[in-house]
Amino acid sequence: DVKVTQSSRYLVKRTGEKVFLECVQDMDHENMFWYRQDPGLGLRLIYFSYDVKMKEKGDIPEGYSVSREKKERFSLILESASTNQTSMYLCATSWGDRVFDEQFFGPGTRLTVL
Amino acid sequence: QKEVEQDPGPLSVPEGAIVSLNCTYSNSAFQYFMWYRQYSRKGPELLMYTYSSGNKEDGRFTAQVDKSSKYISLFIRDSQPSDSATYLCAMSSLSGNQFYFGTGTSLTVIP
Repeated sequence: DVKVTQSSRYLVKRTGEKVFLECVQDMDHENMFWYRQDPGLGLRLIYFSYDVKMKEKGDIPEGYSVSREKKERFSLILESASTNQTSMYLCATSWGDRVFDEQFFGPGTRLTVL
Repeated sequence: QKEVEQDPGPLSVPEGAIVSLNCTYSNSAFQYFMWYRQYSRKGPELLMYTYSSGNKEDGRFTAQVDKSSKYISLFIRDSQPSDSATYLCAMSSLSGNQFYFGTGTSLTVIP
């Protein structure tokens, strides 16, 4: 079974803090994704990566950056957290050329920015 | 108009009922269709994956695609309390470079 783990289940940060969310997968998948999930808005793609050191902007990249130094690890960085970044953050992975199909998700990190 | 429309519910049914969950879409380029199930405080998990039109069955679950109407459905037979979750549809184009999730339908199966 694919296992996707996220560094924290719950996180509380203050406005202006730099926030790191980490995702690790153990199945050698090429593709990794970061989403945020908000009531009524569903899943929105922030960034994705199809290879080490490669990254592509998703639908809502503003205020976020990512890092993928190793194949199994994909980090989401909030450079200066704001209250409108309070959300559930979900990491996902997939393999193969159909990058977005058949994604495997982590358990999520509920981030609250005060 | 949104690319993918999904009624958010909530939908509440008695145990044993047949459940029908639906999504409509506007982009005729979509060829691959997925259903994900998301339990409370968990990440989504892929439930069904189909290509083009027709039906696909897996146990109590049937995914149906009607491309002429741009309409997909997930049927759950003999629903169980353990089916209580949010169900998200998703779809992608033949090339794979267009992909959308629906916003999800919340389902509760009452014992």
